Amino acid sequence: RKEVEQDPGPFNVPEGATVAFNCTYSNSASQSFFWYRQDCRKEPKLLMSVYSSGNEDGRFTAQLNRASQYISLLIRDSKLSDSATYLCVVTARGNAGNNRKLIWGLGTSLAVNP
Amino acid sequence: ETGVTQSPTHLIKTRGQQVTLRCSSQSGHNTVSWYQQALGQGPQFIFQYYREEENGRGNFPPRFSGLQFPNYSSELNVNALELDDSALYLCASSSTGQGETQYFGPGTRLLVL
Repeated sequence: RKEVEQDPGPFNVPEGATVAFNCTYSNSASQSFFWYRQDCRKEPKLLMSVYSSGNEDGRFTAQLNRASQYISLLIRDSKLSDSATYLCVVTARGNAGNNRKLIWGLGTSLAVNP
Repeated sequence: ETGVTQSPTHLIKTRGQQVTLRCSSQSGHNTVSWYQQALGQGPQFIFQYYREEENGRGNFPPRFSGLQFPNYSSELNVNALELDDSALYLCASSSTGQGETQYFGPGTRLLVL
């Protein structure tokens, strides 16, 4: 089983639609969770951190369920500019001292159509 | 923009050659992480440097090595290049005071022929 698994995608939705991405992780000791966005041929950019209480930033809502080892990202009223790949990221203890490393999912591609 | 820069932006090498990629971290950041991202894949962690010392390593062979300098900029060196090393190499900087939030440079796209 992969350490971080995401919906395979791609998702094709019309403008204004609501779309949800899911991500599961295998390491119950994982402590921090993030969603990054990556545009084609560009570097990943932090979209939002994911907190246990859930958090919202405008049209974006992230949820964490530690019991099920599951995080989600909801995009409401999707825009053409939301078209990108969305990457789920989980921290895990590294193999040196107290460092942590980020484990990345493969990403889910979203295309918002006019 | 994140303030993280990488050079060169693109590079073409042949099998067996060696390559050095460079990264300048964001001002105030003391940690640099390197990732390899193959087409259609998520980034794979190569290693991390914190205050000039290696601070964790992913599943990459020893021919992938690195350095961090006193100004916290960093280099990634790859010896004996293989075709499968063709990928986007991403550098991310972070500050221990900000948790694990990492800020990425634009990447170096390496093609090995």
